Amino acid sequence: EAQVTQNPRYLITVTGKKLTVTCSQNMNHEYMSWYRQDPGLGLRQIYYSMNVEVTDKGDVPEGYKVSRKEKRNFPLILESPSPNQTSLYFCASRGVGNTIYFGEGSWLTVV
Amino acid sequence: KNEVEQSPQNLTAQEGEFITINCSYSVGISALHWLQQHPGGGIVSLFMLSSGKKKHGRLIATINIQEKHSSLHITASHPRDSAVYICAVRGNDYKLSFGAGTTVTVRA
Repeated sequence: EAQVTQNPRYLITVTGKKLTVTCSQNMNHEYMSWYRQDPGLGLRQIYYSMNVEVTDKGDVPEGYKVSRKEKRNFPLILESPSPNQTSLYFCASRGVGNTIYFGEGSWLTVV
Repeated sequence: KNEVEQSPQNLTAQEGEFITINCSYSVGISALHWLQQHPGGGIVSLFMLSSGKKKHGRLIATINIQEKHSSLHITASHPRDSAVYICAVRGNDYKLSFGAGTTVTVRA
């Protein structure tokens, strides 16, 4: 079954404590990306990756890092989380057919 | 001003009614996606369009590249169609820009 898997799904953390949200896809897709969704602001792209070792900034990259060392994984790293990074995060991948597959979302609260 | 504008923001329909959601964009695009988000958060891709029209079950999506406009139609609406519908455009730089979403409520 085609899947994009994110972990953790729910997390409450404290300001400044580094955390990583993992994302894995089983469809051999080259393109992967991260988004955040906030009330009143909708979905916004954080980072995206065209392929292994190729990443680029989206519209709201500040405070985030990513890496793409292997095709299936695209982790999102918050080196020093702050309360304004409290949000619902989605990972997604897209293949040659251009259908986008989203993960189930990760609810992150930074206190 | 957002590059992607959706209308209406909210829509309530009676079961069986025909529903139309509109999306206008201001930049050149390589593709347009229609997404569905149910309460609880999961997002599902409904359509990807670069021209013309696509149909899947009771859903129809159209795009007019010259007018920079797309519509999503739901025929014979059903309460299970209640969700947020989001338009997203993909530029030539592979970035995605999203509309604010249309909240659809279908009453039985």
